[in-house]
Amino acid sequence: QSALTQPASVSGSPGQSITISCTGTSSDVGSYKFVSWYQQHPGKAPKLIIYEVSKWPSGVSDRFSGSKSGNTASLTISGLQAEDEADYYCCSYAGSVTWVFGGGTKLTVL
Amino acid sequence: EVQLVESGGGLVQPGGSLRLSCAASGFTFTSYELSWVRQAPGKGLEWVSYISTSGSVMYYADSVKGRFSISRDNAKNSLYLQMNSLRAEDTAVYYCARIGGYRHDYWGQGTLVTVSS
Repeated sequence: QSALTQPASVSGSPGQSITISCTGTSSDVGSYKFVSWYQQHPGKAPKLIIYEVSKWPSGVSDRFSGSKSGNTASLTISGLQAEDEADYYCCSYAGSVTWVFGGGTKLTVL
Repeated sequence: EVQLVESGGGLVQPGGSLRLSCAASGFTFTSYELSWVRQAPGKGLEWVSYISTSGSVMYYADSVKGRFSISRDNAKNSLYLQMNSLRAEDTAVYYCARIGGYRHDYWGQGTLVTVSS
């Protein structure tokens, strides 16, 4: 149950787009469509923003988009806004009713 | 509105025990599986445990297997985590989360557990 690999930090200017990668293995990301992404502001609970690789929960902006290729999933945020500054975590179902999260990526909006 | 409210955290000595609770409201509790997820200070999220809708099936992360026990009381709309033989590395904010289709779609605000002498 090793954590998925994410970059520690990414940054971008308002209006730009950024992409956060999430690399797993053939036992988790590579095997299942159940990859989700969470946004966490300081001191707050995580919030689901993408599920099943590329689907949006109700109420989440379509500026957030997800994709997957092989063992790597990606989250893209377009039209960066100051409120997007937060930590982002990927998560994959890993079989046998277990889940594995990524180490998290801190997004800074310059 | 879906609400999950954790309680029971606090300071405990290494080797000690603690029981966390999570009170749920705003949805049909018996229809949803649940998880505990933790976050050590300044660190990432770690899935800890899962329980089925009936409470008859449970799974654990290797890091807590044999020490933690998850349960639920469907009559009280409540989820629990019994934590025994606590270690310093169990220090974290513990979140309860609802599972909807293999995703953790709603989270509580968390309760802090500190294991220290």
